[in-house]
Amino acid sequence: EPEVTQTPSHQVTQMGQEVILRCVPISNHLYFYWYRQILGQKVEFLVSFYNNEISEKSEIFDDQFSVERPDGSNFTLKIRSTKLEDSAMYFCASRSTGGTGELFFGEGSRLTVL
Amino acid sequence: DAKTTQPNSMESNEEEPVHLPCNHSTISGTDYIHWYRQLPSQGPEYVIHGLTSNVNNRMASLAIAEDRKSSTLILHRATLRDAAVYYCILNTGTASKLTFGTGTRLQVTL
Repeated sequence: EPEVTQTPSHQVTQMGQEVILRCVPISNHLYFYWYRQILGQKVEFLVSFYNNEISEKSEIFDDQFSVERPDGSNFTLKIRSTKLEDSAMYFCASRSTGGTGELFFGEGSRLTVL
Repeated sequence: DAKTTQPNSMESNEEEPVHLPCNHSTISGTDYIHWYRQLPSQGPEYVIHGLTSNVNNRMASLAIAEDRKSSTLILHRATLRDAAVYYCILNTGTASKLTFGTGTRLQVTL
């Protein structure tokens, strides 16, 4: 069964460092998303991406965040200068153009900022 | 986004059916009712969705009230692996994002 894969599974970084989280969405999907979940809290929407541009973003997704689909298969989330409060699980998701909106999520990347 | 209301937690015995309720009194005519679940330390997982009619799949059944202001996710025989947080989410079916609430934490005991 096709699945969304994310790397790394866990990354530890120092505050102020840049981090790139990578995702390989399901191959025929064209809508891509990043969500995050701080420990013990809700799953929060960060950004959606379609046709090589951001289609929607939340207040959390400020200038420190960026997304890119560099090569037609990967979908990346970059955090330019990490803060302690960026520590969370980051989930990538993708969706096909058809259907009625089912999102397929990856297993997540745990980011720990020290 | 139209809001949903779910109980914070529910308990079930293994091998018994579980009915997880969701209220969505402000649902609009174009909103689909989606259910996702999140097992411990995993990403959310699609369970089922529907618009007006009841739906069945290999994971669960979805019963939708006639006025669509509430719905119930039915797990026919709960197993320990069904212990998770279950989210009821309204979605228009376009490219719009899913908005997760706090969901219902289901505990399954022997």
